[in-house]
Amino acid sequence: AQTVTQSQPEMSVQEAETVTLSCTYDTSESDYYLFWYKQPPSRQMILVIRQEAYKQQNATENRFSVNFQKAAKSFSLKISDSQLGDAAMYFCAYRSVNYGGSQGNLIFGKGTKLSVKP
Amino acid sequence: KAGVTQTPRYLIKTRGQQVTLSCSPISGHRSVSWYQQTPGQGLQFLFEYFSETQRNKGNFPGRFSGRQFSNSRSEMNVSTLELGDSALYLCASSLYPGRGTEAFFGQGTRLTVV
Repeated sequence: AQTVTQSQPEMSVQEAETVTLSCTYDTSESDYYLFWYKQPPSRQMILVIRQEAYKQQNATENRFSVNFQKAAKSFSLKISDSQLGDAAMYFCAYRSVNYGGSQGNLIFGKGTKLSVKP
Repeated sequence: KAGVTQTPRYLIKTRGQQVTLSCSPISGHRSVSWYQQTPGQGLQFLFEYFSETQRNKGNFPGRFSGRQFSNSRSEMNVSTLELGDSALYLCASSLYPGRGTEAFFGQGTRLTVV
């Protein structure tokens, strides 16, 4: 079974600075997807960034980028120029490639609570 | 385009009762998944429906059940409620199940069992 581990329960960053959130995962599959989701106090999960395992190039979305190390099974999220609105819980998630099979659900880590200081 | 709508937003129930939660996916989305979120266990997968068929089920007791209607709306039911069922229940909709398709989440239903 696949597992996702986020070793930092809480992180803090100064506004305009850069912060990196860590995520490791365990799987025997070679093809899968990785995601970072943000959950603000409003509780709605919002997709931040997505990475396809067969793509070596790291995904980027504006101020958000990932460092995907497939061999090390590591998938960290870097937030540049942090803003107050970035304060939230961040969840790393894994999803098998579902070629007609039954396992297509998201497997989440425990989350990292990010605080942004003005 | 309307997002994922979950109703009700908040519920308080007594042990032993049953509860039904509703999820309306984004228009055109045919896959609906349910997750339970608690401080202790984090986010755990409950089940996934696609075209009215349950495709996948998490490791939850039979008290937890769900269904999907022809318009893709989904309901989940919890019977004989226990205190440990208190949680935020999140629904996610996707165009298709699995792969890299983005899952869009609703704001959840906060269930409190007393």
